[in-house]
Amino acid sequence: GQNIDQPTEMTATEGAIVQINCTYQTSGFNGLFWYQQHAGEAPTFLSYNVLDGLEEKGRFSSFLSRSKGYSYLLLKELQMKDSASYLCAVRDSNYQLIWGAGTKLIIKP
Amino acid sequence: IAGITQAPTSQILAAGRRMTLRCTQDMRHNAMYWYRQDLGLGLRLIHYSNTAGTTGKGEVPDGYSVSRANTDDFPLTLASAVPSQTSVYFCASSDSMAGGHNEQFFGPGTRLTVL
Repeated sequence: GQNIDQPTEMTATEGAIVQINCTYQTSGFNGLFWYQQHAGEAPTFLSYNVLDGLEEKGRFSSFLSRSKGYSYLLLKELQMKDSASYLCAVRDSNYQLIWGAGTKLIIKP
Repeated sequence: IAGITQAPTSQILAAGRRMTLRCTQDMRHNAMYWYRQDLGLGLRLIHYSNTAGTTGKGEVPDGYSVSRANTDDFPLTLASAVPSQTSVYFCASSDSMAGGHNEQFFGPGTRLTVL
């Protein structure tokens, strides 16, 4: 079966750095996405990785290792507004997205 | 620019009733999707459409049907609602279902409760 694993919840301090990990086992791989979802709202796109390595976009970076079936999302200079769930999704051989259950990130002052 | 709209925002429905959730996008995207989101689970794909006139089944299609008569609209119908269909339903769209960036854009969601 297909599986995406992420930690259920993480806590971090405002101004700090946090790394959210995602491991996957899917039938095929055609890219990995990270989305942010605030409580009661729709998911919004953060990043896309298809090749190994680090993609940096402002305070957010995403890393991919296809051989290890592993990705992480790195959030720097945390702000209170970063409190949200972070969803990892892999596009499989059918070009459908398989989603993790999400990591709820709690930011404390 | 609205992006994707969904209606209704929320609904309480008696079991056995028929219900259609509406989804409209104004981005001229070819691909559209319906997901359900339940606590502790990832988004699960119900049905999708590659392009107007075609639809396909996702991971959890039973009890649901869709149609794609034109590019903009992708309604989801529950023929006879059951309590296990209580969920938050998200409609999404993307330029295509092919590889490449093709991020999905999500509507605001419909919170459905079946009693």
